[in-house]
Amino acid sequence: TQLLEQSPQFLSIQEGENLTVYCNSSSVFSSLQWYRQEPGEGPVLLVTVVTGGEVKKLKRLTFQFGDARKDSSLHITAAQPGDTGLYLCAGAHQDSWGKLQFGAGTQVVVTP
Amino acid sequence: EAQVTQNPRYLITVTGKKLTVTCSQNMNHEYMSWYRQDPGLGLRQIYYSMNVEVTDKGDVPEGYKVSRKEKRNFPLILESPSPNQTSLYFCASSGTGYLSGELFFGEGSRLTVL
Repeated sequence: TQLLEQSPQFLSIQEGENLTVYCNSSSVFSSLQWYRQEPGEGPVLLVTVVTGGEVKKLKRLTFQFGDARKDSSLHITAAQPGDTGLYLCAGAHQDSWGKLQFGAGTQVVVTP
Repeated sequence: EAQVTQNPRYLITVTGKKLTVTCSQNMNHEYMSWYRQDPGLGLRQIYYSMNVEVTDKGDVPEGYKVSRKEKRNFPLILESPSPNQTSLYFCASSGTGYLSGELFFGEGSRLTVL
């Protein structure tokens, strides 16, 4: 089983600050996804990256896929309380069709 | 409304009493999967199904069974539940391109085995 490691596990910041969450693995992924989960709900997809070096922006969120397709980062600029949630990365391998590996998640808390 | 529906949402049961968690999706998705979520461990895949009558083990299949007799339904069966199966369970589905496509999750089923 290839592991996806997320860091940090927990992040508490003030509104307006920036934050970065990391997702790392020793194996190469065909694609990598980021989800956000709020209490009592299932995860919701934020973005999918498939090309090494790819950068995608979603309003104040910037996602980057490493050149070697082994790691990814999520950067939030000027965080707001609505950004509070559990952020999960998930990777898929070409040789394991149907098996999507999830990281343990980063709990982000943004206080006003 | 496109959705994945799980039932029950909450269940408390006792060791050894067989139970089934149902999952239904109305998006005509071919791919469906079950996950369990435990603190500090994230989402771990139990079983997945590429299409009707096609199922395969995920990372933690022990103690679970699934079936995929029709496209929309993918029930999770615990033949003899044990306390270590106490967890939050999620069903998910995806259309074509499941490796890069979006997984749609249900709202989760919180199971407690005493």
